[in-house]
Amino acid sequence: AQSVAQPEDQVNVAEGNPLTVKCTYSVSGNPYLFWYVQYPNRGLQFLLKYITGDNLVKGSYGFEAEFNKSQTSFHLKKPSALVSDSALYFCAVRAPSGGNTGKLIFGQGTTLQVKP
Amino acid sequence: DTEVTQTPKHLVMGMTNKKSLKCEQHMGHRAMYWYKQKAKKPPELMFVYSYEKLSINESVPSRFSPECPNSSLLNLHLHALQPEDSALYLCASSQDWDTGELFFGEGSRLTVL
Repeated sequence: AQSVAQPEDQVNVAEGNPLTVKCTYSVSGNPYLFWYVQYPNRGLQFLLKYITGDNLVKGSYGFEAEFNKSQTSFHLKKPSALVSDSALYFCAVRAPSGGNTGKLIFGQGTTLQVKP
Repeated sequence: DTEVTQTPKHLVMGMTNKKSLKCEQHMGHRAMYWYKQKAKKPPELMFVYSYEKLSINESVPSRFSPECPNSSLLNLHLHALQPEDSALYLCASSQDWDTGELFFGEGSRLTVL
């Protein structure tokens, strides 16, 4: 069975500092990995995805994520955090084949708090 | 147009009421989804429509009834709900059902009294 874990309920960083939001996954075969962000009282927004290719994926709003197959991780990063980055972040995984295994499985979410 | 539009934004209903949530997208996406989300929790998949046909029902109680009138519209009919059904209901769409890159609406916040 596929699963995804976000080990931190909350991450606090100061504005201007680099940020990392952690995600590890478990899936048979090569994973499709995603990050979504949810601002208060809003729906989720797609940030970036990894399917294949370069292990460093660049996404929206200056975010990037690094795929590490040996550590089964897909951590979200940003070199310089903004207060406006404060939100709830979800990592998600799906198996590459079709059928029910094509469903997105979300992690529990990590609240990012960026302080001025 | 890269939006998924959901109406209403807020809905309060009694346990005996019948109401509907509506969702619309004009991106030409062939898959549409209903998710339920409790506060600070990940969204839970309820239904998936692919090419206007119901392809996934995650064992959702029959008091929730989805409908896809055409490729741009998705409805969720609600009847005899329970207070524990109070949640944010999110609609999403994607190019195809298994791409993983979903476009979400802002949700309909449902309160069941």
